[in-house]
Amino acid sequence: DIQMTQSPASLSASLGETVTIECRASEDIYNGLAWYQQKPGKSPQLLIYNANSLHTGVPSRFSGSGSGTQYSLKINSLQSEDVASYFCQQYYDYPPTFGAGTKLELK
Amino acid sequence: QVQLKESGPGLVQPSQTLSLTCTVSGFSLTSYNVHWVRQPPGKGLEWMGRMRYNGDTSYNSALKSRLSISRDTSKNQVFLKMNSLQTDDTGTYYCTRARLPGGFDYWGQGVMVTVSS
Repeated sequence: DIQMTQSPASLSASLGETVTIECRASEDIYNGLAWYQQKPGKSPQLLIYNANSLHTGVPSRFSGSGSGTQYSLKINSLQSEDVASYFCQQYYDYPPTFGAGTKLELK
Repeated sequence: QVQLKESGPGLVQPSQTLSLTCTVSGFSLTSYNVHWVRQPPGKGLEWMGRMRYNGDTSYNSALKSRLSISRDTSKNQVFLKMNSLQTDDTGTYYCTRARLPGGFDYWGQGVMVTVSS
């Protein structure tokens, strides 16, 4: 199985700040990567697919980039509603595997 | 609009079988794959298995011996059955629709399952 290593595990940032979350795959996943946001007590919500494509309805302050084994999610101008956990997931190979998550809090 | 909704018991005794139902609307099970994903309390997401649009199934190898996924297309339902439950099977169980080429674009609200005597 492809292992997804996500960092940092937790992150504290101020409103308006730019934050970046990283995900590293154990092998090349050829941009087969999605990012999800999960608020407490809620289901995950798709943010990004194909490493850099914004899902319908997702604010443009979210963006994804990367290639090969290294990927990142960037949130520009952090808003209070962005407080959540974020997960990466590879779907290049079966089984689909998730990163352990990043918990984003306000400073 | 697209919706998925999980249903099933909130409490299961150790060694017993968990049975969950995912009822979908707004799309056809013969056009999309539906997956099951679970999440232990305070932890990350684990893929469990999928029902493909054509009726084929795939399972997480760690769960394969205990897990079965089936469907009833006439009722727009996908079923999960997992036997020999233990306390570390406690968590929230989600069904989710897969988009092509990948990623899960719609999720159910989840059902919390506690394994305890």
